[in-house]
Amino acid sequence: KNEVEQSPQNLTAQEGEFITINCSYSVGISALHWLQQHPGGGIVSLFMLSSGKKKHGRLIATINIQEKHSSLHITASHPRDSAVYICAVSVSGGGADGLTFGKGTHLIIQP
Amino acid sequence: EPEVTQTPSHQVTQMGQEVILRCVPISNHLYFYWYRQILGQKVEFLVSFYNNEISEKSEIFDDQFSVERPDGSNFTLKIRSTKLEDSAMYFCASRDRGRHTEAFFGQGTRLTVV
Repeated sequence: KNEVEQSPQNLTAQEGEFITINCSYSVGISALHWLQQHPGGGIVSLFMLSSGKKKHGRLIATINIQEKHSSLHITASHPRDSAVYICAVSVSGGGADGLTFGKGTHLIIQP
Repeated sequence: EPEVTQTPSHQVTQMGQEVILRCVPISNHLYFYWYRQILGQKVEFLVSFYNNEISEKSEIFDDQFSVERPDGSNFTLKIRSTKLEDSAMYFCASRDRGRHTEAFFGQGTRLTVV
């Protein structure tokens, strides 16, 4: 059974700090997703990646398939980045294509 | 920008009643999903739907649940006889080509069973 573990569970930082959120998983995957969930509950897709690195604005996502590990970085963090960041994976192999989710990292950026 | 829309945003229902949660996926997408998130817990997969049939379902998706794509645009989740433990946020998602593509989520329907 695939488990997705995120760390830290909670993170409070000051505006401008460099943020790193980690995700590890236990089985082979076809893709890893980083998602953002705001207090209202809606989920927004930030990245989908299966290798290497992707960058969008101040957000950077990396993945190491051999080590079954991914990181999400936020540069020059801002209070509007405060949200829950969720790692989710698509397990490789036939049939299954629903995502398996981590518990999320609750990020608070203080001004 | 195309988006997945869900209605209603909040539904309160009496235990034992039937509820239907509605979703309009992105128009050219082919793969549709329902997930749920019980308050304070992680998001859990319920069911995936492709080519007018269920392609995968989780242990949670028992006989009380059903999904349907009644026309070319709507995708519905029906809970036949709601229980208190069905209270959760329910998310619809769609993808255009399945597991190797990005998932787009709706804003969710908060279901409260009283």
